[in-house]
Amino acid sequence: EPEVTQTPSHQVTQMGQEVILRCVPISNHLYFYWYRQILGQKVEFLVSFYNNEISEKSEIFDDQFSVERPDGSNFTLKIRSTKLEDSAMYFCASSDGASKTQYFGPGTRLLVL
Amino acid sequence: QQQVKQSPQSLIVQKGGISIINCAYENTAFDYFPWYQQFPGKGPALLIAIRPDVSEKKEGRFTISFNKSAKQFSLHIMDSQPGDSATYFCAASISYGGSQGNLIFGKGTKLSVKP
Repeated sequence: EPEVTQTPSHQVTQMGQEVILRCVPISNHLYFYWYRQILGQKVEFLVSFYNNEISEKSEIFDDQFSVERPDGSNFTLKIRSTKLEDSAMYFCASSDGASKTQYFGPGTRLLVL
Repeated sequence: QQQVKQSPQSLIVQKGGISIINCAYENTAFDYFPWYQQFPGKGPALLIAIRPDVSEKKEGRFTISFNKSAKQFSLHIMDSQPGDSATYFCAASISYGGSQGNLIFGKGTKLSVKP
């Protein structure tokens, strides 16, 4: 069964450093999303991406964040200068648009020290 | 108005019992209501979803009941099993164009099913 994959599974970084989280969405999907989940809290929407541009973004997704689809398979989330409060689990999701179901990846646990 | 309120925060059920988790929303523009199941260290996995034109949807032991006038929906897990022990999130979204919009999640319910 096709699935969303994410790398790395864990990342530890120093405050102020840049991180890039990578996702490979399901191959025939056209809509891509990033969500985050701070430990013990609910899943929060960050950004959606379609047709090589951002469709929607939350207030969390400020100028420190950017997304990119550098090739036909990868979808990345970049945090330019990490803060302690960026520590969270980051989930990528994708959807084919027809079924309206979003399939989530296993997540990247980011720890900012 | 974009919130989805979920209760209870935690739930303990005996094996074979019925687990019931409730959610409420305010925004009547929401038109898609999925439930996700999440095991520790894993991503949320879609369990079952409903649209507001249907009052109930059943898939195996899982049933969503939807009350449009009350702006509430609930997940019922029949014959609960220890393997159902997980965190359950309700969510809602507004469709536009060819795809749903972003998911607004409830705060989650941690379900423990005792053997």
